[in-house]
Amino acid sequence: EVHLVESGGGLVQPGGSLRLSCAASGFTFGSFAMNWVRQAPGKGLEWVSSISINGGSTYYLDSVKGRFTISRDNAMKILFLQMKNLRAEDTALYYCAKVAVPGYSSSPSHFDSWGQGTPVTVSS
Amino acid sequence: EIVLTQSPSTLSLSSGERATLSCRASESISTYLVWYQQRPGQAPRLLIYDASTRATGIPARFSGSGSGTDFTLTISRLEPEDFAVYYCQQRGNWPVTFGQGTRLEIK
Repeated sequence: EVHLVESGGGLVQPGGSLRLSCAASGFTFGSFAMNWVRQAPGKGLEWVSSISINGGSTYYLDSVKGRFTISRDNAMKILFLQMKNLRAEDTALYYCAKVAVPGYSSSPSHFDSWGQGTPVTVSS
Repeated sequence: EIVLTQSPSTLSLSSGERATLSCRASESISTYLVWYQQRPGQAPRLLIYDASTRATGIPARFSGSGSGTDFTLTISRLEPEDFAVYYCQQRGNWPVTFGQGTRLEIK
């Protein structure tokens, strides 16, 4: 059974940094592209970033480019999201999501497994 | 970016009734359209991908249709556990985008 467990969220001041982690189990982590999707309180889903199976290709929401960095450690089966220069509008529950189809693709995919999310609050 | 517009924002129905949810894309996305269900306090759950293919374990009362810019999620006979928020997502182009959601509530 696929398990995705996010951690690293918390309260941070505007301009601060956080590093989110997503520990994966139950599948061959290195064979699947991974994603971060966020959900602001009471709002809808917003895709944030994607990373290919070997980390060689990454994609970002325009509003986080230059501030967020997605990475992965396939040996440890962990996905990361380094967030810098955080803004109030980054406040959200951050989900880790696995794509459904294994292998490399330069196109977006759909997400068949999600973690329970880690909350990020940016406030002074 | 491709904008997805879902309608209605809220749909009030009773158990046993048929639900029809719409998702319209700002440009053609072929059949690269996905549907998710999100119950309160839970992560999203994949229902339908490639516009009409049910994900593993999804009951047959859920069906998807459409191509190009207009898509529909139909729930043939509502069960109590179906009252939730439904999101569409496009995977035709970067950035991935979601619709704003349709809340399916008990009438």
